[in-house]
Amino acid sequence: EPEVTQTPSHQVTQMGQEVILRCVPISNHLYFYWYRQILGQKVEFLVSFYNNEISEKSEIFDDQFSVERPDGSNFTLKIRSTKLEDSAMYFCASSPRTGHYEQYFGPGTRLTVT
Amino acid sequence: GQQVMQIPQYQHVQEGEDFTTYCNSSTTLSNIQWYKQRPGGHPVFLIQLVKSGEVKKQKRLTFQFGEAKKNSSLHITATQTTDVGTYFCAGPRRSGAGSYQLTFGKGTKLSVIP
Repeated sequence: EPEVTQTPSHQVTQMGQEVILRCVPISNHLYFYWYRQILGQKVEFLVSFYNNEISEKSEIFDDQFSVERPDGSNFTLKIRSTKLEDSAMYFCASSPRTGHYEQYFGPGTRLTVT
Repeated sequence: GQQVMQIPQYQHVQEGEDFTTYCNSSTTLSNIQWYKQRPGGHPVFLIQLVKSGEVKKQKRLTFQFGEAKKNSSLHITATQTTDVGTYFCAGPRRSGAGSYQLTFGKGTKLSVIP
């Protein structure tokens, strides 16, 4: 069964550094998402992406965040200058054509900012 | 904005006992989704309910969607240790270009005592 994959599984970085989290969505999916989950808390929406542009972003997704689909398979989340409060699990998700609402989540990248 | 609330936050049950988690939305939902997250894992889609008053069953799991499409419940009959995890309800909200962002509840963490 196709799966969303994410790399790395764990990223440790120093405050102020840039990080790029990578995702490979399910191949025939068209809608891509990033969510984050601070330890022990709920999953929070960051951004949705369709047709090579952002569809919507949350308040969390400020100017320090960006997303890109550099080729036909990868979907990346960049944090330009990490802060301590960016420490969280970041999940990528994808969904098929519009009308199919379920989202398929990747295993996540645990980001630790020190 | 849309808020999704879940109770209880934690539930400890003896193996074989039943378990129920309740979900309430501040707005009427087009549909509601349920996800399960095992400890250290990622959200995994369980089911989607669309129709007012809908009831769906998956083996020992029974999902209900309220008549007003603002609340939902998940009931597990005769819990097993494999049911351990956090159960999230999520309400989709349409973003731009046909994509849907999910607003998650805080989840109910289920512990099953063997």
